[in-house]
Amino acid sequence: ETGVTQTPRHLVMGMTNKKSLKCEQHLGHNAMYWYKQSAKKPLELMFVYNFKEQTENNSVPSRFSPECPNSSHLFLHLHTLQPEDSALYLCASSQQTGGKAGELFFGEGSRLTVL
Amino acid sequence: AQKITQTQPGMFVQEKEAVTLDCTYDTSDPSYGLFWYKQPSSGEMIFLIYQGSYDQQNATEGRYSLNFQKARKSANLVISASQLGDSAMYFCAMREGLSNQFYFGTGTSLTVIP
Repeated sequence: ETGVTQTPRHLVMGMTNKKSLKCEQHLGHNAMYWYKQSAKKPLELMFVYNFKEQTENNSVPSRFSPECPNSSHLFLHLHTLQPEDSALYLCASSQQTGGKAGELFFGEGSRLTVL
Repeated sequence: AQKITQTQPGMFVQEKEAVTLDCTYDTSDPSYGLFWYKQPSSGEMIFLIYQGSYDQQNATEGRYSLNFQKARKSANLVISASQLGDSAMYFCAMREGLSNQFYFGTGTSLTVIP
């Protein structure tokens, strides 16, 4: 496998469920990100991890809980979500450096629907 | 204020023609990078092209080129010889310095007509 892999690709959950999204990168990068993509809105940065340490948390509700056990894996734990949380959740990784080499590499996303 | 502005929600182009997708940005940091990504219906964001704020020349990658006008703070993407496979959403993004914060625009939906 290469690149950034996200599972599951599609998830439907009720508001009382607990589920997790998983992201794995095989690029040797040291930074990993969760983004939320809703229709007609810019991508919203949710969380960033550098060398397994969380460095950004953009006022994300506590019903989203990230976990980064190592520099290759990133999870997003979901509980008691709201219908407005339905969106495409994109995981990305990058090398913590400037220039073109610092570009984001994205997974294919996890499409979440909250009923 | 919006850091990245893409004013074209949707664009159409005839196959084999060129098309320009607009992007303006807002920053006071002298060091920044500008990125363009393509998002097909499958969902994955694919990196296309990069322009650094100190780069003297406009970036080019195959059929993609970036019309970088620093004084106007614009970084328009030019796709030459459009192909049907170019139909997708296109996002402009900016990173200031070595920040982990990438700012994205709302995207432009490009449809290539046979």
